[in-house]
Amino acid sequence: GESVGLHLPTLSVQEGDNSIINCAYSNSASDYFIWYKQESGKGPQFIIDIRSNMDKRQGQRVTVLLNKTVKHLSLQIAATQPGDSAVYFCAENNSGYSTLTFGKGTMLLVSP
Amino acid sequence: NAGVMQNPRHLVRRRGQEARLRCSPMKGHSHVYWYRQLPEEGLKFMVYLQKENIIDESGMPKERFSAEFPKEGPSILRIQQVVRGDSAAYFCASSPPTNEKLFFGSGTQLSVL
Repeated sequence: GESVGLHLPTLSVQEGDNSIINCAYSNSASDYFIWYKQESGKGPQFIIDIRSNMDKRQGQRVTVLLNKTVKHLSLQIAATQPGDSAVYFCAENNSGYSTLTFGKGTMLLVSP
Repeated sequence: NAGVMQNPRHLVRRRGQEARLRCSPMKGHSHVYWYRQLPEEGLKFMVYLQKENIIDESGMPKERFSAEFPKEGPSILRIQQVVRGDSAAYFCASSPPTNEKLFFGSGTQLSVL
């Protein structure tokens, strides 16, 4: 069936580096995408979202890029900090369908 | 402004017992979602409810699992006759009527002995 998946299960970076977390999706009908951050023992926390009529959206230290041609989503974190260490999930939604579908997640490890 | 509240935080049950997980959505949110997460895996959708209605239960096992969101009070996810395979983290999320963005609670970690 259609699914959302991530390329890298673990990403290790040094503090201050820029991080890029990638996500591939297969449902061409998806038109809304969200990145969530989940710290150990906690629920997912919203980071940033993007609709399919956009290809880039920026937040505070984070940027989401959407490439609909290849069905690829990425999350860029600038000047990564130890507090950014967590598992990051992308999720997709089809506006005709009410629920989010999550990928498996990428663990980001930031070394001081 | 309190977020999504789930309780209990941890729940231990023996095989065959019942588990009841509670979720109070954020103020102003009328949509509730339940997801299950196994260790080192993503969140799997279970059920989507609005007040007094189940909108989508396509992710819910057909037997032993049920969910409700009454007019008054929290949403309840009920698991009857629990088995060890039910051990997981169960997350509740809520959203307002016009927004796909989900806000998650801290989850209930269910352990079946």
